[in-house]
Amino acid sequence: DAGVIQSPRHEVTEMGQEVTLRCKPISGHDYLFWYRQTMMRGLELLIYFNNNVPIDDSGMPEDRFSAKMPNASFSTLKIQPSEPRDSAVYFCASSLVGNYNEQFFGPGTRLTVL
Amino acid sequence: KQEVTQIPAALSVPEGENLVLNCSFTDSAIYNLQWFRQDPGKGLTSLLLIQSSQREQTSGRLNASLDKSSGRSTLYIAASQPGDSATYLCAVNRQGDSWGKLQFGAGTQVVVTP
Repeated sequence: DAGVIQSPRHEVTEMGQEVTLRCKPISGHDYLFWYRQTMMRGLELLIYFNNNVPIDDSGMPEDRFSAKMPNASFSTLKIQPSEPRDSAVYFCASSLVGNYNEQFFGPGTRLTVL
Repeated sequence: KQEVTQIPAALSVPEGENLVLNCSFTDSAIYNLQWFRQDPGKGLTSLLLIQSSQREQTSGRLNASLDKSSGRSTLYIAASQPGDSATYLCAVNRQGDSWGKLQFGAGTQVVVTP
């Protein structure tokens, strides 16, 4: 069975541009999480969904960030406009409540904003 | 606010030695605790999940214990191998938070020398 799939794996963009990160969770999982990892702040939860509904977006840094989950097999994290301080690795993870919410991570998207 | 601490931040051991990694958390009211492994440039791999009602979990050479009253978990890796070199992170799901919301420690970077 495929794991969590993220695209692109690497993204380099210029300040002010829109960036869209994509995630396909493990089939059948009912929770989806977006994280950001930096050297300074470690791993931070940005937002998560349960059955496609956002549950907790308290970690979203500001209005420039938005996330959607239009169906059970796809989610996007959008940054508009992007800034150099958004440079980080963004991870998507999914879990199944019936499996005690053990989270499985994707390979991440390394974002560089110049 | 839950704080999760991992000490030491880095550890180097010769091959064959047992590894002992520590995780402490300030709020003992947790749903579960999860241990992950992260290889450089890669996503996180789930190693073990311990429910709040459990005292330990085992998988192969890995054993994780949980003492909620003292706010501690320990990950033991028996007979370490160079392939065990990675960063190990623990994360807790606090009962005061939404189900599924993990708080991560900063990790322990492990190097196993041949």
